[in-house]
Amino acid sequence: AQRVTQPEKLLSVFKGAPVELKCNYSYSGSPELFWYVQYSRQRLQLLLRHISRESIKGFTADLNKGETSFHLKKPFAQEEDSAMYYCALSGGVDSSYKLIFGSGTRLLVRP
Amino acid sequence: DGGITQSPKYLFRKEGQNVTLSCEQNLNHDAMYWYRQDPGQGLRLIYYSQIVNDFQKGDIAEGYSVSREKKESFPLTVTSAQKNPTAFYLCASSISAGGGYTFGSGTRLTVV
Repeated sequence: AQRVTQPEKLLSVFKGAPVELKCNYSYSGSPELFWYVQYSRQRLQLLLRHISRESIKGFTADLNKGETSFHLKKPFAQEEDSAMYYCALSGGVDSSYKLIFGSGTRLLVRP
Repeated sequence: DGGITQSPKYLFRKEGQNVTLSCEQNLNHDAMYWYRQDPGQGLRLIYYSQIVNDFQKGDIAEGYSVSREKKESFPLTVTSAQKNPTAFYLCASSISAGGGYTFGSGTRLTVV
């Protein structure tokens, strides 16, 4: 079965500290992985996707097929990074492109 | 501005009543989706539609119904059969060939 697991409900760090939000997935084929972010009072929005291999707002995520993980990382957290982060998986055409979301991790960056 | 619009933002319903949530997009996206967002549970897929006049059940379709008569519109009806309808509902759309979703701002439904 397709599943996305985000083991941490809340991650609290100090400004300037490194951040790693964990995401593990279960999927038998070749998934597409995404990170979505929801800032306070804003819409859920795409942060990055693994096939783009890009860095957005200093965040990166590498797909590790061996460990079935797609952890989100940032070397130096900023207060404006405080938000709810969701990892999501799509099976592509095999699953009609629908996204399966994890339960989310709230990141709190303290001054 | 291209985007996806959900209305209303807040909705109150009495037990036993059906209620319809609106979702409209002008992005020319083929696919549209409805998710339910509950604290600690993330987003769960209710229904999705890849093309006009076609839709499929998601993981938690019981007590909900949808229609897709126009490409731009994908309304969700929460019926009286839905046992726990109080939640935050999110609509999204995407280009069918993959890529990220565009989300609406959501509708918060409260059953009173």
